[in-house]
Amino acid sequence: KAGVTQTPRYLIKTRGQQVTLSCSPISGHRSVSWYQQTPGQGLQFLFEYFSETQRNKGNFPGRFSGRQFSNSRSEMNVSTLELGDSALYLCASSLSQVENTDTQYFGPGTRLTVL
Amino acid sequence: AQKITQTQPGMFVQEKEAVTLDCTYDTSDPSYGLFWYKQPSSGEMIFLIYQGSYDQQNATEGRYSLNFQKARKSANLVISASQLGDSAMYFCAMREDNTNAGKSTFGDGTTLTVKP
Repeated sequence: KAGVTQTPRYLIKTRGQQVTLSCSPISGHRSVSWYQQTPGQGLQFLFEYFSETQRNKGNFPGRFSGRQFSNSRSEMNVSTLELGDSALYLCASSLSQVENTDTQYFGPGTRLTVL
Repeated sequence: AQKITQTQPGMFVQEKEAVTLDCTYDTSDPSYGLFWYKQPSSGEMIFLIYQGSYDQQNATEGRYSLNFQKARKSANLVISASQLGDSAMYFCAMREDNTNAGKSTFGDGTTLTVKP
């Protein structure tokens, strides 16, 4: 079974631009979560989608948004990029049967650099 | 208060020896899951092992075992017979009840270096 895939793997953008990252979950997984990883803040939860609905959201500004399609693929968008948005963005998928026992499997990440 | 605490920023271990990576957690939920992930320099988070709060026995997966002490709220990862390929960052994570859909809370990680 194929793992979680993320595209693109690397991105370089300039301040003020916007960016869209894509995530394809493991087949059969309906929950997709997004995390931002930076050296200073560690791993921080952005949001989670299940059956095309956002069920949970972390403490990030409205510039960060996402969506999920009927095939469970998800995209996240960051508008008006800031230097501080430079990070590794990780997508994780899970079956989402029972939350606290549900293992999240991660993709390889998208490394975003904002200049 | 930090929910997941990993007190060892860096650890060294000799090849073929065992090493323990510490993790303590804080939650008021009676039902929760604890996870360990490995992150090599490539960036991908690799799932290693899971322990449920109601599990009576410590979890094991190959060379990985989890030393779960519920009363002390600790979930230490033990890696036996270390290999050079085990050099990576290791994260302890927790998932709580259904009100936190899709969210795992992570510790700051421990960088493990295996010496030949």
